[in-house]
Amino acid sequence: KQEVTQIPAALSVPEGENLVLNCSFTDSAIYNLQWFRQDPGKGLTSLLLIQSSQREQTSGRLNASLDKSSGRSTLYIAASQPGDSATYLCAVGALYNFNKFYFGSGTKLNVKP
Amino acid sequence: NAGVTQTPKFQVLKTGQSMTLQCAQDMNHEYMSWYRQDPGMGLRLIHYSVGAGITDQGEVPNGYNVSRSTTEDFPLRLLSAAPSQTSVYFCASSYGINEKLFFGSGTQLSVL
Repeated sequence: KQEVTQIPAALSVPEGENLVLNCSFTDSAIYNLQWFRQDPGKGLTSLLLIQSSQREQTSGRLNASLDKSSGRSTLYIAASQPGDSATYLCAVGALYNFNKFYFGSGTKLNVKP
Repeated sequence: NAGVTQTPKFQVLKTGQSMTLQCAQDMNHEYMSWYRQDPGMGLRLIHYSVGAGITDQGEVPNGYNVSRSTTEDFPLRLLSAAPSQTSVYFCASSYGINEKLFFGSGTQLSVL
């Protein structure tokens, strides 16, 4: 069974800093990987989706990379802002069980003004 | 656009009671799914559907039933609530297999 891990569980940085969030998975046979943002008491919002054949995806200040062979993905946030404070989750799409995503437990990010 | 709508937002049940969590989407998505989120754990898949009339079990299906009579609606039924079912429940939909997921705002359920 696919296991997805996100370390650290919480991260606090000053405004303006560039930062990297990590996601690791145990089975490299993946269909794709998604990064989500979750605000307190709200649902998840998809930020980026990387197909298994891709190395990275970019959206504004966000850049997600994927290294299937090592079972890792990173989410890079440039010039962090207080509005970026939220919990970030990654989810791996299973290759042989379509429409099943395996989620990490998330990294709670606090960007201090 | 409403997107994915879940009701109710909060619910308190007594052990043994039954209830239905509602989920509706207006994006004409074929794929819908239910997840539960517990503290310190990632979201876990309960049931999913790949189209009207087709459902299947996820990781943690015990104690839950689903049906999909229309493309828009995917209700989750708790048959006999147990304290272990205290959790936040999310409904999600996507246009295609393993595509970008759209989530509802969640239902916080407490079972006493």
